[in-house]
Order: sequence, then C-alpha cells, then structure tokens
Amino acid sequence: KAGVTQTPRYLIKTRGQQVTLSCSPISGHRSVSWYQQTPGQGLQFLFEYFSETQRNKGNFPGRFSGRQFSNSRSEMNVSTLELGDSALYLCASSLEGVDEKLFFGSGTQLSVL
Amino acid sequence: DQQVKQNSPSLSVQEGRISILNCDYTNSMFDYFLWYKKYPAEGPTFLISISSIKDKNEDGRFTVFLNKSAKHLSLHIVPSQPGDSAVYFCAASAKNNDMRFGAGTRLTVKP
Repeated sequence: KAGVTQTPRYLIKTRGQQVTLSCSPISGHRSVSWYQQTPGQGLQFLFEYFSETQRNKGNFPGRFSGRQFSNSRSEMNVSTLELGDSALYLCASSLEGVDEKLFFGSGTQLSVL
Repeated sequence: DQQVKQNSPSLSVQEGRISILNCDYTNSMFDYFLWYKKYPAEGPTFLISISSIKDKNEDGRFTVFLNKSAKHLSLHIVPSQPGDSAVYFCAASAKNNDMRFGAGTRLTVKP
C-alpha cells in the first residue's frame, strides 16, 4: 500500500507570493490533516478535511486555507507569504479522524525569502 | 497554548542503555497518547500508543507509561540502539479533536 505522498518536496518563494502544496493520502483514508513544523515548536495543527469538508481548524490566520477533493486528495494554499511561513509542512492521513493514529508524508520544505 | 510539553530538547545515551523520554500534558480531556519518531528529511512515523484506560503498553524494546494523576507520559527504550537516534514527538488527542504534539526530543544513541 502506498504511503502518504506530498509534492513538491522543496519550494522557494518570495514574500508576498502564494503557494499551493499537494497531498495524496493512503488509499481508503478519508481524513487528511495538515501540520506546520518549525524548529522548537513541534507540529502545529493547521486543519483537517474529511469528505471534502473542513472539520477541524487550528489557530492560523486566514492566509492558510485548504481543500479536499472527492478522491480524498488535499491541497493547502498559503497566500501573501511572510518570512515566518518558512517551515516544513506535513500532511497526515487516517481512516476516520484526526484523533486517531496518523500516517505522515515526508513533507514540503517551504523557504520564504 | 502548549498543551503537550517535552521539556528536554535533547538526550544522549550509550548504546545498550535505557533511554527515557518524558512528556507532560495539561488537558485532562486527552484520552489517547502516542509517540512518533522522525528521521531527517522524513515525516514522523508512529511508534507506540496508549489509551487513558491503561497505564502501560509494551511493544518490543519500547514501553510507554502513562501517569494520569500527574499528567505525565514517558517512553522507555531498552536496550537503546544507534538506529534509535531520531527526534521523538509525544502527541495526545481527545475524541473528535485534533492531535496535539510536543516540541520533540532529539535522542542520540552513541555506539
């Protein structure tokens, strides 16, 4: 069974630009969640999608948004990038919910210059 | 707010010895606790979990202990091996709520 796939692996953007990250969950997993990892901060929860609907949301500004498609694939968008958005963005999938065991992708390393 | 805390950013142990990683939490609603391991350039991978109805769970060299009254979780690795060198994240969740992670502890196992 293929794992969680995230593309691209690396991205370099400049302030003010926008970026879209993609995530393909494990087949059969309906819940997709996104996390931001920065040094010393652990993994900060962004949001969770289930059946194309945002079901849970973390404490991030509205510049961070996402969506889920009917095949469970998910995208995350960050608009008007700021230097502080530089981080590793991780996607995780699970069968039914964000409160159960999560399977993570390798992440997208975003650098904002 | 940091509901899950790992107060030791790093830990170094000798191969063959025990590694003990600690985690504290503040939310009494958490009922499911997990440990993840992360190697560089990879996503975190699930290691072991425990539900709040238990106080210990073992899986091979890994044992997780839960002390609900102290809101404390620990991971024991015995014996430690160089391949265990990684960042370990403690995580906790309450039903239908997002999983909260600690900041991680970097474990180095020296040969």
